Amino acid sequence: AQSVTQPDIHITVSEGASLELRCNYSYGATPYLFWYVQSPGQGLQLLLKYFSGDTLVQGIKGFEAEFKRSQSSFNLRKPSVHWSDAAEYFCAVGGGATNKLIFGTGTLLAVQP
Amino acid sequence: KAGVTQTPRYLIKTRGQQVTLSCSPISGHRSVSWYQQTPGQGLQFLFEYFSETQRNKGNFPGRFSGRQFSNSRSEMNVSTLELGDSALYLCASSAQGATNEKLFFGSGTQLSVL
Repeated sequence: AQSVTQPDIHITVSEGASLELRCNYSYGATPYLFWYVQSPGQGLQLLLKYFSGDTLVQGIKGFEAEFKRSQSSFNLRKPSVHWSDAAEYFCAVGGGATNKLIFGTGTLLAVQP
Repeated sequence: KAGVTQTPRYLIKTRGQQVTLSCSPISGHRSVSWYQQTPGQGLQFLFEYFSETQRNKGNFPGRFSGRQFSNSRSEMNVSTLELGDSALYLCASSAQGATNEKLFFGSGTQLSVL
C-alpha cells in the first residue's frame, strides 16, 4: 500500500537552532517525493521535490532534503530556523502522469524566540 | 500572473444540503486537482481533471463529484452534506498534470456543516 508517515506530530525548536523533520514512505514504483509548507488559513506551498539524480535536494527558504532509498526516507532539514518558519509541514509521494499525491499527516513546527 | 483562485473562501451549510465549490486555475494550466483536508484524516485526494476529463479519483463516496469546463475552471459538488464533510477543500493546478510539474494550491474553501 502507498503511504507516507511523518512520525512527529508537533516539534518545537528555538530560533537559530537546526531542524530535521522526518518522513518515511511506502510506494511500489519509483517515488516522486515532495515537501510542502502550509501557514494557517493558507494553501500549500512547495518547498522542494525529488525525482531522480542527486539525493540531496535544495529548496526554497534555505531548506534541503535527503532521499535515502535504503531507509525509504526523505527527511527535511534546515541549519538555522527563523521565527517565520513556524507552520505545518507535509511530506508527499506521487508518481506517473497524474497529480495524485499521498500526503503524510503533517508536522506542526513551533519556533521559540 | 494570478494564482489559483477558490471561491467562496468560507461556507456554512446544514446537513442534507448540497454545495458547489469553484476553482479557477492559473492561466494556461489544464490540470486541476481537489483535496480534502481535515484534522483527523489530513489531506486526501478527491479527484483530478485534465482537459475536461476526470483522470483520477480518490476513495470518496458518490456524493462528491466534480467537473471541468473548457476554460479549465473546475467545480466540485457535494450532495446530501454530512457533518463529517466539514473540511478545508483545496484546489491545485498544474500545466499538464504530470507529477514532475510544480503543483500550485489555492487558499481553499473552508466548509462548515452544521
